Amino acid sequence: DAGVTQSPTHLIKTRGQQVTLRCSPKSGHDTVSWYQQALGQGPQFIFQYYEEEERQRGNFPDRFSGHQFPNYSSELNVNALLLGDSALYLCASSKEGYGYTFGSGTRLTVV
Amino acid sequence: QKEVEQDPGPLSVPEGAIVSLNCTYSNSAFQYFMWYRQYSRKGPELLMYTYSSGNKEDGRFTAQVDKSSKYISLFIRDSQPSDSATYLCAMSAPGGSYIPTFGRGTSLIVHP
Repeated sequence: DAGVTQSPTHLIKTRGQQVTLRCSPKSGHDTVSWYQQALGQGPQFIFQYYEEEERQRGNFPDRFSGHQFPNYSSELNVNALLLGDSALYLCASSKEGYGYTFGSGTRLTVV
Repeated sequence: QKEVEQDPGPLSVPEGAIVSLNCTYSNSAFQYFMWYRQYSRKGPELLMYTYSSGNKEDGRFTAQVDKSSKYISLFIRDSQPSDSATYLCAMSAPGGSYIPTFGRGTSLIVHP
């Protein structure tokens, strides 16, 4: 049973560019949440998608946007990248609020 | 003040020691309490899940929740070098899809 898969594993972008990260949830899960984890910090909640709609959002600017597809997979988009956006981006899937399962993350470096 | 406070460590112990990891929180609405283990450059992996107050044991791991003090603990018995990782506490409230709020994590090093 495949868990949560994220792509790409690593990414280097230049300040001001845009980036798209992808996530496939665990089989049977219908909800996808995205977190940002800076070095030495805990994961910070960005937003959650359910039934292709953004259901909840954390304290992140509008430069962070997302999408969920009919097959429950999801994308995280970040526009106008800043150096401070460098972090590990984690995707977590769940079913009806239970069983948050994390992927291995995408490490984004902004130079 | 952050909703969830956790000492980042590092905590260094010899193999076989009993490890105690702790978090405090400020939000009285939290009802669900979790401990995740995160190895370097990997995603968090759920270790323990507890609802409300009390203790829960799973093998070498014991989770304790004291809601009156807003304090949770994870104990690891007979610690092994393979337990070396960052341990994240997380908690959530009913409603709002039980979205976990995390502490910053404690780095644990178990040396042979």
